[in-house]
Amino acid sequence: EDQVTQSPEALRLQEGESSSLNCSYTVSGLRGLFWYRQDPGKGPEFLFTLYSAGEEKEKERLKATLTKKESFLHITAPKPEDSATYLCAVQGSDWVGAQKLVFGQGTRLTINP
Amino acid sequence: EAQVTQNPRYLITVTGKKLTVTCSQNMNHEYMSWYRQDPGLGLRQIYYSMNVEVTDKGDVPEGYKVSRKEKRNFPLILESPSPNQTSLYFCASRRTGGMPEQYFGPGTRLTVT
Repeated sequence: EDQVTQSPEALRLQEGESSSLNCSYTVSGLRGLFWYRQDPGKGPEFLFTLYSAGEEKEKERLKATLTKKESFLHITAPKPEDSATYLCAVQGSDWVGAQKLVFGQGTRLTINP
Repeated sequence: EAQVTQNPRYLITVTGKKLTVTCSQNMNHEYMSWYRQDPGLGLRQIYYSMNVEVTDKGDVPEGYKVSRKEKRNFPLILESPSPNQTSLYFCASRRTGGMPEQYFGPGTRLTVT
């Protein structure tokens, strides 16, 4: 069974204090690993897709990386508007796994000014 | 604007009173899906549809029905809602070929008393 575990559950940083969020996964075959941002009361907003180990994607202050067992979301010099819950999800490559995203429980990030 | 819409956004109902949550997308996506989000359990897939008239169960389908008569719409039906279906519901869509990332609607917060 595909599984995703995110850590930490919650993270509080000062503005400008860089850090990383972790996503550990087990999947029989990986079609894609996704990062989403979710603000309170809103739907998940797509950030990145990573397909294979070694791949990296960047967007503004966010950088996502992927290994065979983990993905990291690095946040460089964060600002208060980066406060949100960050969700990691995997999609398997077999027929059953390809029909859904398996989500982690998210990391709730708070950036204090 | 490319988007997934859901209605209603908030709903309070009583046990056993049938209800429908509508979902519509304007991106001509073949694939649509419903998820529920609960504290401590994350996002879990309820049902999905690969295309018109093609639907299948996700991980937590009990107590729900869906239909896909048109490509753009994918309503979620609760024939006899129960309190354990109190949750935050999200509809999502994506293309079946090419980039696999899903795009989510704004959510429907359902309370069953």
